[in-house]
Amino acid sequence: KNQVEQSPQSLIILEGKNCTLQCNYTVSPFSNLRWYKQDTGRGPVSLTIMTFSENTKSNGRYTATLDADTKQSSLHITASQLSDSASYICVVSAGSGYSTLTFGKGTMLLVSP
Amino acid sequence: EAGVAQSPRYKIIEKRQSVAFWCNPISGHATLYWYQQILGQGPKLLIQFQNNGVVDDSQLPKDRFSAERLKGVDSTLKIQPAKLEDSAVYLCASRRTGDYNEQFFGPGTRLTVL
Repeated sequence: KNQVEQSPQSLIILEGKNCTLQCNYTVSPFSNLRWYKQDTGRGPVSLTIMTFSENTKSNGRYTATLDADTKQSSLHITASQLSDSASYICVVSAGSGYSTLTFGKGTMLLVSP
Repeated sequence: EAGVAQSPRYKIIEKRQSVAFWCNPISGHATLYWYQQILGQGPKLLIQFQNNGVVDDSQLPKDRFSAERLKGVDSTLKIQPAKLEDSAVYLCASRRTGDYNEQFFGPGTRLTVL
């Protein structure tokens, strides 16, 4: 069964600090992995996408890594801002064509002033 | 480019009542998804359409949930009759055909069943 596990479940950090969110997956066959940011009351928005051959991808202060061998990904947020407070969801796509997505439960990040 | 539109944004009903949600995907997006997101959890796929055909509805509780996408554009999701455990946010998403194309999500409809 395809699964995506995220940790921690929630996290509180001070504004300006860095943090790293983790994602472990058992999805086969692997196609790609996305990190989404979901603000309260909004739909998820894609931050990064990585395919099997990519091991790092940046989007501003967000940097995602992928280790396809250990089936782990991380999302590193640098110099956090209050607007980073949101849920971060790891989503792994299996196969091709219609692509079945497996969602993690998300990590709730709160950036405190 | 306009995003995915959903309505209503909020709905409160009593159990055993019926409710319907509407989604207008991004123009040109052949694939449309309906997800259920319970508080504190990731979205759970209910149904996936490719144009006006159903690709995956394996997790749709078909005794009470139904969805259609007539003409391959707009879609409606209906719950009849609603149960307390249906309280959730219902997200609609769409994407262009292609392996790596991003799903774009609408703002969701927050349903509260009393």
